[in-house]
Amino acid sequence: IAGITQAPTSQILAAGRRMTLRCTQDMRHNAMYWYRQDLGLGLRLIHYSNTAGTTGKGEVPDGYSVSRANTDDFPLTLASAVPSQTSVYFCASSDRGMVNEQFFGPGTRLTVL
Amino acid sequence: GQNIDQPTEMTATEGAIVQINCTYQTSGFNGLFWYQQHAGEAPTFLSYNVLDGLEEKGRFSSFLSRSKGYSYLLLKELQMKDSASYLCAVGDSNYQLIWGAGTKLIIKP
Repeated sequence: IAGITQAPTSQILAAGRRMTLRCTQDMRHNAMYWYRQDLGLGLRLIHYSNTAGTTGKGEVPDGYSVSRANTDDFPLTLASAVPSQTSVYFCASSDRGMVNEQFFGPGTRLTVL
Repeated sequence: GQNIDQPTEMTATEGAIVQINCTYQTSGFNGLFWYQQHAGEAPTFLSYNVLDGLEEKGRFSSFLSRSKGYSYLLLKELQMKDSASYLCAVGDSNYQLIWGAGTKLIIKP
């Protein structure tokens, strides 16, 4: 592993289903983030974690949950997917908090039908 | 509210120079970032400005004026591979990062 990996690369999901997007980093960064990116809206922060064991809500947290059991992993769960959650999801990490260079994973393209 | 404005799309010619502007209104200021994002890929870091002035890094330069709430990214000697979206992001007083919607740059031969 080099940097940040995300899985799956893409997914088509039926509305109402539960889905977990996986994110793993090997840079030993303290902070991790989940963003969604929609056309014309730029990146919007869903949830973040400043360090293992802590999480916080971003701009658009409703319908999503996260956990940070260890430094490397930061999964994002959609408890009951809705079509408005169709988007590209990026996981990112940084060494010392949000206002520092962030390193992004390759993204997960999610379609909810 | 907090706001970052960038042009939606710009077109330039290979070999030329292009300037992408970013204006911001945020509660406080803790640095401004530029990221590059090729279509279908993840954003990658380009530059960081926290003091007024010009930061040069090869063909790319970034300028900041805190009093005007203004930054620009200057790309020189444009190459076809510079076709991408350029994202401006500002750190606010709570050390949260506010993102602009990005500027799609199209390079023509």
